[in-house]
Amino acid sequence: EPEVTQTPSHQVTQMGQEVILRCVPISNHLYFYWYRQILGQKVEFLVSFYNNEISEKSEIFDDQFSVERPDGSNFTLKIRSTKLEDSAMYFCASSRGGGNEKLFFGSGTQLSVL
Amino acid sequence: TQLLEQSPQFLSIQEGENLTVYCNSSSVFSSLQWYRQEPGEGPVLLVTVVTGGEVKKLKRLTFQFGDARKDSSLHITAAQPGDTGLYLCAGARQAGTALIFGKGTTLSVSS
Repeated sequence: EPEVTQTPSHQVTQMGQEVILRCVPISNHLYFYWYRQILGQKVEFLVSFYNNEISEKSEIFDDQFSVERPDGSNFTLKIRSTKLEDSAMYFCASSRGGGNEKLFFGSGTQLSVL
Repeated sequence: TQLLEQSPQFLSIQEGENLTVYCNSSSVFSSLQWYRQEPGEGPVLLVTVVTGGEVKKLKRLTFQFGDARKDSSLHITAAQPGDTGLYLCAGARQAGTALIFGKGTTLSVSS
């Protein structure tokens, strides 16, 4: 079965540094998402992306965050100046359509900000 | 912020037992989804329920969406050690909008 792939699986960075988390969604999917899960807490929505633009974002997704689909296959999440509280597992997801279409999640990138 | 409350938070049972976990909210949802998440992995969709009162079965798992579309339950019959994992419910207020996740129920089934 096709899968969403995320790299790296683990990322350690210093506070204030920029990080880019990378995702390769399933090839025929059109909707892309980033979620995060702080240790011991619930999975939280960050942003959804469709037709080369953000379609929805949460209050977590402030000016420090940005997303990009630089080519036909990658979908990236950039955190401009990381804070300690950005430490979390970041999940990329994609779906073929909107509505109630099935979301396929990647295995996540564990981001640790020191 | 719409909340999805899941209960119980932790459940430890013996192989062969039946169990039910719950997902409740004061808000109406367009749909509810149930996911299972293994350590170090992303959530994997089990089922989506859309219609109030809907019941879906997936082998030994039975999912129900409440009539008012504010709650859902997952019932597992004759649990097996392979059912061990974190079960998450997630809802969308409107079709195509962001999923709101509950904190999950951690299920442990011992043989």
